[in-house]
Amino acid sequence: EPEVTQTPSHQVTQMGQEVILRCVPISNHLYFYWYRQILGQKVEFLVSFYNNEISEKSEIFDDQFSVERPDGSNFTLKIRSTKLEDSAMYFCARGQGAGGYTFGSGTRLTVV
Amino acid sequence: GESVGLHLPTLSVQEGDNSIINCAYSNSASDYFIWYKQESGKGPQFIIDIRSNMDKRQGQRVTVLLNKTVKHLSLQIAATQPGDSAVYFCAENNSGYSTLTFGKGTMLLVSP
Repeated sequence: EPEVTQTPSHQVTQMGQEVILRCVPISNHLYFYWYRQILGQKVEFLVSFYNNEISEKSEIFDDQFSVERPDGSNFTLKIRSTKLEDSAMYFCARGQGAGGYTFGSGTRLTVV
Repeated sequence: GESVGLHLPTLSVQEGDNSIINCAYSNSASDYFIWYKQESGKGPQFIIDIRSNMDKRQGQRVTVLLNKTVKHLSLQIAATQPGDSAVYFCAENNSGYSTLTFGKGTMLLVSP
């Protein structure tokens, strides 16, 4: 059973539409992260979430992005008005101590 | 800005060979380094890590070497198997921060 489950596995959306990507970390860890990976490129940090608050965010994580942990277990990333360049794999991760993470299998977002 | 990068984008080896994947980093404040394996359609999977107070660490069939003088990190895989075919990323972290900075990745192709 995967330790970090992401849904959906693939999302296709029209440019300008809102998308919500979901993650179930299945643990009591306090640190959670969203990273993205544009096809063929490196994994890039978006945001870290500690104790139900954003603790760090990158330049990529602008006002179009938001994160929530609405019910204490699910962890969501919302993109309010998607752009073509938002097309990427989005990975949720939970901290496992000493700086290492456990990553989910990712959501492939395709903006058309 | 400071970043982590990889020398070789693709490495092709024969089954049974030893593989060496290299990584250069430029952030002298980094004190924790991790190698991840990413198979197609999956999230990064933790392989091995090393702290800056060490120069070598061994796992099962894998060894990570750290040369802080030249800011170089390598991953050695012994007796490479077809199942080792994947993209390998190095990542670095400053223990004062929770986020990881990833390198671009090296594709390892293992021929039977």
